[in-house]
Amino acid sequence: QSALTQPPSASGSPGQSVTISCTGTSSDVGGYNYVSWYQQHPGKAPKLMIYEVSKRPSGVPDRFSGSKSGNTASLTVSGLQAEDEADYYCSSYAGSSNFVFGTGTKVTVL
Amino acid sequence: EVQLVESGGGLVQPGGSLRLSCAASGFTFSNYWMQWVRQAPGKGLVWVSRVYSDGSITSYADSVKGRFTISRDNAKNTLYLQMNSLRAEDTAVYYCARETIRAKDYWGQGTLVTVSS
Repeated sequence: QSALTQPPSASGSPGQSVTISCTGTSSDVGGYNYVSWYQQHPGKAPKLMIYEVSKRPSGVPDRFSGSKSGNTASLTVSGLQAEDEADYYCSSYAGSSNFVFGTGTKVTVL
Repeated sequence: EVQLVESGGGLVQPGGSLRLSCAASGFTFSNYWMQWVRQAPGKGLVWVSRVYSDGSITSYADSVKGRFTISRDNAKNTLYLQMNSLRAEDTAVYYCARETIRAKDYWGQGTLVTVSS
């Protein structure tokens, strides 16, 4: 149950795009299409942004998109806005009713 | 409106016990898997435990296996986490979350557990 690997930080100017990677193994990210992404603002509970690799819950802007290739999943935020500044975490089903989170990425809007 | 409200956190000595509760409303609680996730101060999210809709299937992170027990009372729409043999490294905000299609679509506001002498 090792954490998925994310870059500690990412940044972009308003209107630009930023992509966050999430690297696991064939036992989690690579083995299942159950990767989800969460946004967390300071002092707040996490919010689901992407599920099943690339699906967006109702109410999440289409600026947020997800993808996966092999053992690495990615979250792209297009058209960065000030309110997108937050911590982002990936999570994957890891089999045997277990889950694992990523190490987290702090996104800064310059 | 879906609501999850955790309670039961507080200060406990190492080796002690605590039971967290998560009161659910706004959805048919008995139809959903539920999970606990924790976050140590200034650190990332960590998955803790998961329970099937009827309580018959449970799973745990290795770090809490044998010490924590997840359960639920569908008649009371409440999820529980019994935490025994607490350690300093269990200090965290504990969140309950509803699971849908292997994702956590609704979260509570969290309850802080501090393990310290």
